[in-house]
Amino acid sequence: EVLLVESGGGLVQPGGSLRLSCAASDFIFSTYWMTWVRQAPGKGLEWVAHIKQDASEINYVDSVKGRFTISRDNAKNSLYLQMNSLRAEDTAVYYCARQESHYNYAFDVWGQGTMVTVSS
Amino acid sequence: QSVLTQPPSASGTPGQRVTISCSGSSSNIGSNTVNWYQQLPGTAPKLLIHTNNQRPSGVPDRFSGSKSGTSASLAISGLQSEDEADYYCAPWDASLNAYVFGTGTKVTVL
Repeated sequence: EVLLVESGGGLVQPGGSLRLSCAASDFIFSTYWMTWVRQAPGKGLEWVAHIKQDASEINYVDSVKGRFTISRDNAKNSLYLQMNSLRAEDTAVYYCARQESHYNYAFDVWGQGTMVTVSS
Repeated sequence: QSVLTQPPSASGTPGQRVTISCSGSSSNIGSNTVNWYQQLPGTAPKLLIHTNNQRPSGVPDRFSGSKSGTSASLAISGLQSEDEADYYCAPWDASLNAYVFGTGTKVTVL
């Protein structure tokens, strides 16, 4: 079964750092763009960042530029999100998702999400 | 504040047809394809419609999408209780160089 499993969420103080991981299985990870999407409690979805197959192209939403870094390890079938200088407004469930080229890069497979809480 | 506007809520009785609008601009809907996602309570989002009007395998044909100019729509015909969920539109925005999600619409089956 095609699967994405996020980990690494937790409680962190404002200004702190956290690294999220997303483990992929049962598909050829290295052939897909990958994306992070977040959802603050009781709020809508917000796209965070995405990364091309070979990491040669990366884009971020303005609110995380300079603080978050997306990366991937194709040998480990894993996607990462390094989050620094965290703020209360970064509190959210973070989802990783696969972008399917045959669907015009729509997000066709999603993980279950990992919760990040930024609070003192 | 999202650049894509959706009505906050929509409702209908079982069997009815419900339509959800998504209003954007020339930099997003006007120049890129639109995808729609369904999020059932307490679960991760699920791809419902891609490329404006295409259903991934497994999605019932009760769901249909359309796009015209800088607006898009999702229609649910033959509404069922399991369709109670939040629905989001999402195109790429060429000006922001980012994907953008609509504000979301909560569908209630009366």
